Amino acid sequence: NAGVMQNPRHLVRRRGQEARLRCSPMKGHSHVYWYRQLPEEGLKFMVYLQKENIIDESGMPKERFSAEFPKEGPSILRIQQVVRGDSAAYFCASSPPASGNQETQYFGPGTRLLVL
Amino acid sequence: SQQGEEDPQALSIQEGENATMNCSYKTSINNLQWYRQNSGRGLVHLILIRSNEREKHSGRLRVTLDTSKKSSSLLITASRAADTASYFCATNNAGNNRKLIWGLGTSLAVNP
Repeated sequence: NAGVMQNPRHLVRRRGQEARLRCSPMKGHSHVYWYRQLPEEGLKFMVYLQKENIIDESGMPKERFSAEFPKEGPSILRIQQVVRGDSAAYFCASSPPASGNQETQYFGPGTRLLVL
Repeated sequence: SQQGEEDPQALSIQEGENATMNCSYKTSINNLQWYRQNSGRGLVHLILIRSNEREKHSGRLRVTLDTSKKSSSLLITASRAADTASYFCATNNAGNNRKLIWGLGTSLAVNP
């Protein structure tokens, strides 16, 4: 059973460009979470989604950021018109549905975004 | 806003010694989890302790939870150089929301 997959692992963008970060959850997992980590800091919750639904986006900036988890395919975190302050590591995690050990989140390796 | 606060921020010990890290939080929780992160890589889940549990063990790890003080500790016994990493606590707050709220982490260096 493959773990949580994220791609790309590293992404370089110039100010004003768009960044698309992808996350494929573990097989059988229904929930996906996105977190952002600034250098030398802990993680900050951004959004969590179930298939085709956003459950909680309270940690996501209102502008330029969006997330989706379509019925088919990976979850996408999209950042439009990136600015230097968006430079960070973005981690995705997934967890099983209501049955089973729903509380543990399994993390991907992260995408390191650098905005020039 | 950040929920948890770990202390110490940094800890340096010799191989074979025990390492203790503490975490405090602010609101009622469903559970508290500890994760390890090596050099800015992905996070590895170590242990989960529920709000009605007081202590849990996993190999060389021992976690305690004191809900009256809103604090938890992670003890790593007989540390090894490979334990060098950052350790984070994360809480799942009371209610039906699965999101995790994270502390700032403790950076542990185990010297051979």
